[in-house]
Parts: sequence; C-alpha cells; structure tokens
Amino acid sequence: QSVLTQPPSVSGAPGQTVTISCTGTSSNIGTRSDVHWYQQLPGTAPKLLIYGNNNRPSGVPDRFSGSKSGTSASLTITGLQPEDEADYYCQSHDWNLRVGVFGGGTTLTVL
Amino acid sequence: QLQLQESGSGLVRPSQTLFLTCTVSGGSITSGGYSWNWIRQRPGMAPEGVGSIFDTGATTYNPSLKSRVNISVDRSKNQLFLQVTSMTAADTAVYYCARGMTLTPLAFDIWGHGTMVSVSS
Repeated sequence: QSVLTQPPSVSGAPGQTVTISCTGTSSNIGTRSDVHWYQQLPGTAPKLLIYGNNNRPSGVPDRFSGSKSGTSASLTITGLQPEDEADYYCQSHDWNLRVGVFGGGTTLTVL
Repeated sequence: QLQLQESGSGLVRPSQTLFLTCTVSGGSITSGGYSWNWIRQRPGMAPEGVGSIFDTGATTYNPSLKSRVNISVDRSKNQLFLQVTSMTAADTAVYYCARGMTLTPLAFDIWGHGTMVSVSS
C-alpha cells in the first residue's frame, strides 16, 4: 500500500477537465515537501509533468496544472486529448520514512 | 541534449548481486549540482526510489533497501552505478536512472529508458 493515496482510475471525454487527487499525511505532503507529478505511457519511462507543486517543465502544455493544500495535492488536466491516456503518479518526500515516495498511480481513460 | 542509458545484467540468480550502469551522454554528470538517481518499478506497480547520489558525493538510500544498495559515480567516464546485493524475486523490476533537478532534487526531469531485471534461478 502506497504512502500517497491516488484514485485507481479516472476518465473523461475529449475536451473535458479531469482532476487527479493525491492524499498524503503530516509527514509528507503536509510538510514543506514539494509534490511532483509524472505521466507514464505504456512501456515507457515516467515523464515529469509538474514539479514543485505547480511548475511545468519546458514543453509540457499549460493544460496540465498542479496544486497543493494541506495534506493533499491535485493534478488538473483541461481540454482532454486522446494522447493524455496514461498512468499518472504523484511524488513527495516523507520525513518519517526519510525517502521519496510515489503514489499508487491513477490510470486516465479518455472516453 | 542530455540522454541516459542503463545497461547491465538482465537476469540475476537469487542471492547474487545486481550491477547496473547508467551512461550519461550529451552533458557532464559533474555539472550543475544535479542529483543522480535510481528508481525501480515492479511489474504493475508504482515507481519506487532506490537511492540518490548528489554532487557532493553524499548518498541516500531507500531504508527498505539500504543495507543492500550502493550507488556510485565515475566522473571521468560520465557513468552512474547501482549495486544491489542478496537479490530476491521481490527485486524483479524495471530499473531506471534519472537526473534530479537542482533546486528540487526529487523531481526527476530526465530518465533513461529503463532496463528489465529478472531474478530467477
């Protein structure tokens, strides 16, 4: 069981907006630890999508945005496109475990 | 453009030691104050951090693996290394190397393609 909790799956139609939640605790997201988000297409390495809670690396469309509040974080994808169908993972540092931890992952299906 | 490429033993016998190499091209492993990391992903599961090495030479390891893991670099060859001892079937995974960003070392912005490691007799 992952330290960071994500819904196993979400879905949306093209053009719609979806939000993926990442729930942590007072030892990880609830601290000063940043939250990062990754997108993983089948058979490929994860790709950094959001870093430092709400920053996009160069080349990531502004349809992707992140936020953090309290012990939770969210990834929002607007204007869903078929190529957004992938697994999404949140990541943060856990001060009790003294290690970076990933969420269990959310599979996004574009209907 | 910076690229990372993992290589090493794809099949390891139980109780033996895994050796992996990550070759960095298109840039120097010593520049920029980045962290260099190993992450693994067991079949059907989320990624899991194995450990990191920083520009100071300091290392951190996942506590669940700490006693079995060693990460090092050869700056002259621009290579990162991973050694995991006493391998078991639970260590079967795709192993990735990745660069961590300068101000947010846990944000891995460049990844290798990964190498599948199976533990079996």
